[in-house]
Amino acid sequence: DIQLTQSPSFLSASVGDRVTITCRASQVINNHLAWYQQKPGKAPKLLIYSAFNLQSGVPSRFSGSGSGTEFTLTISSLQPEDVATYYCQHLHTYPLSFGGGTKVEIK
Amino acid sequence: EVHLVESGGGLVEPGGSLRLSCATSGFIFSGHTMNWVRQAQGKGLEWVASIGSSDIHTFYADSVKGRFSISRDNAKNSVYLQMNSLRVEDTAVYYCARDIPFSSFDMWGQGTLVTVSS
Repeated sequence: DIQLTQSPSFLSASVGDRVTITCRASQVINNHLAWYQQKPGKAPKLLIYSAFNLQSGVPSRFSGSGSGTEFTLTISSLQPEDVATYYCQHLHTYPLSFGGGTKVEIK
Repeated sequence: EVHLVESGGGLVEPGGSLRLSCATSGFIFSGHTMNWVRQAQGKGLEWVASIGSSDIHTFYADSVKGRFSISRDNAKNSVYLQMNSLRVEDTAVYYCARDIPFSSFDMWGQGTLVTVSS
């Protein structure tokens, strides 16, 4: 089974800061990775698909990169509305899995 | 517009059964793999089960294999999760989600809460 390790698990940054979240897969998953944003009490929302493609309607300050086993989600300029928990997910093979999540707060 | 609406959650005793439903609209349901994902209170997301577009292929997390069964009715644009032998640790919000192969779960329902408690 493929495990995803997200880091950090918690992040506190100032408005306007550049924020980077890392997701490491236990084996090669090509670009079969997605990133989601989840706010309290809400369903997850797709941000990035196939590792680096921005979902329609998602602000351009969000970007994804990486391939193989190392992936990153970057918020170029953190905004107050970005306070949320972020998850990566692999879709390479079954069983599918999610990373443990990164909670992002404003300092 | 795409919609996914879960129903069927509630309170059940350990060992009991529950059947969740996810009604969909706004897209060609028969063309998509569908999934169930759950989230315990204060915890992360856990993939539970997937079913292929033609109902032939099903996949399960080890934690639910042999107890849960995913099915679909393409005529009703709905996917189901039959949950048997429920345990306290199955307590969670259950989401259904639409699959884009190898890419993402691009659309999600609002979730339905399942509580397993005596």
